[in-house]
Amino acid sequence: DGGITQSPKYLFRKEGQNVTLSCEQNLNHDAMYWYRQDPGQGLRLIYYSQIVNDFQKGDIAEGYSVSREKKESFPLTVTSAQKNPTAFYLCASSPSRGLAYEQYFGPGTRLTVT
Amino acid sequence: AQRVTQPEKLLSVFKGAPVELKCNYSYSGSPELFWYVQYSRQRLQLLLRHISRESIKGFTADLNKGETSFHLKKPFAQEEDSAMYYCALEASGSRLTFGEGTQLTVNP
Repeated sequence: DGGITQSPKYLFRKEGQNVTLSCEQNLNHDAMYWYRQDPGQGLRLIYYSQIVNDFQKGDIAEGYSVSREKKESFPLTVTSAQKNPTAFYLCASSPSRGLAYEQYFGPGTRLTVT
Repeated sequence: AQRVTQPEKLLSVFKGAPVELKCNYSYSGSPELFWYVQYSRQRLQLLLRHISRESIKGFTADLNKGETSFHLKKPFAQEEDSAMYYCALEASGSRLTFGEGTQLTVNP
C-alpha cells in the first residue's frame, strides 16, 4: 500500500496532553479529510481541506485543529479540549473538489487517551 | 442538513443467498451516493457509486428518489463479501456524510 499513509498506527497519551496525528499522501490530490470512526456511529467528519492553506470545520471539529501548509500533508492535532478523544482516526484524500470523486483512505491511527 | 441511515447494524446470511443492505437518506437536493466497504484488516475503499451505474463484485445499487433509498444488493452472497459496509452521500463541496455502517457476515 502506498498513496496515503498515517502514522503511527497506535498512539497512547495521557489525559491533558495534545497529540498530533500524521497524514501524508503522494497522490497529488487537492482535497484531504479527517474522520473519526466509532463503533455504531459510522464515520464523522472532523475537518477537511480542498486546497493548500485553507480548511473547513466538519461536523465534530470541537477539540481538534489542523493545518495544510503543504499539498501532501494534513496533520490533525487532538487537543486537551476534546472530551472523548479515544477513537480510530481515518485520513482520506480525493482528486479534486466537485461531485462524485472517490475518496482514498489511509490505514488509520488508533488513539487511546488514559 | 443531509443524513444517511443504515437501519441494520448487523446482517447475517448464508452463502448463496441474496443479500440487501439498506440505505436511506435525507437531502433536499440531488445527491450523489456511494457504497464504501471495509474488509477485515484492510482500508476503507469505494465499492460503487451511483453516478457510474456499475456492478462491482456482483453488487448493484439503485437510487430511488421517491423512497430516498440507495440499497445495495447481490443475488448470491459469497463468504468473501463479509465486511463492514457504509453508505455515503455527497451533497456539495466534495464532503461525504456516512451512515452508521452495516456489518455483513456470510456464513458457509
